[in-house]
Amino acid sequence: RKEVEQDPGPFNVPEGATVAFNCTYSNSASQSFFWYRQDCRKEPKLLMSVYSSGNEDGRFTAQLNRASQYISLLIRDSKLSDSATYLCVVRGSTLGRLYFGRGTQLTVWP
Amino acid sequence: DVKVTQSSRYLVKRTGEKVFLECVQDMDHENMFWYRQDPGLGLRLIYFSYDVKMKEKGDIPEGYSVSREKKERFSLILESASTNQTSMYLCASSKDGRDGYTFGSGTRLTVV
Repeated sequence: RKEVEQDPGPFNVPEGATVAFNCTYSNSASQSFFWYRQDCRKEPKLLMSVYSSGNEDGRFTAQLNRASQYISLLIRDSKLSDSATYLCVVRGSTLGRLYFGRGTQLTVWP
Repeated sequence: DVKVTQSSRYLVKRTGEKVFLECVQDMDHENMFWYRQDPGLGLRLIYFSYDVKMKEKGDIPEGYSVSREKKERFSLILESASTNQTSMYLCASSKDGRDGYTFGSGTRLTVV
C-alpha cells in the first residue's frame, strides 16, 4: 500500500469555480502534512502546510482529519494561474523523510 | 530564501557512461535528498543524507550511489548509465523534519 494516495484527476474547471482535492495517508504516526504545487516541467514548490485545526491562505483552505487519515485542499474562485499539479505530502515517523502522492492535475479554463 | 542549485538543467549521456549530478544548497541544511520523477510514477526517493559523510538508501537506490563530503553538497552518481535512467532528477534539502523541502530546479537526463 502506498504511503500517500490521491486522485490523479485530471480536474478541468472554469475560472471562478471551487475545486477540492483529497488525499489519504497510511501511517497513523505521520507528523507533518503539506500541499505542494508543481507547474509543468518545473520543480515542486511548497504551497502550504496543513495543521490539525485547518488553515487558510487566501483562496486556499487545507484541512486534516487525523482520525480518518485524510487531507484536503480547497481552492475557491479558481484562476487560470492555478493550473498545475498539486502534490499531497506527508512526513512519516522517520526524521525528515517526506512521502509524496503522485499528484492531482488541475486545469482552469477561461 | 533557501537556494538549492543543480549543476545542469539538461544533460545527454551515452549508455555505460559514469554520470555525476551535483546539488548545492546555501542555507546550512542538514538534510538532503535525491529523487527522480517519471510520468505516472510520481517522485521516487533514491538516496538521502542527514549529515556529512552519511547516506541512506531510499526506495530505488539500485544503479545509483551518492557522496556527501561537505554539508552543502550532495552528489548523485550513476555508475554506468542505462536508458531506463532517463528521467527528471530533483535534489531537495531541509533544515529539519518539521519543515517541508526546498527543491532545486531539476536536471532532465537523457541516456541514449
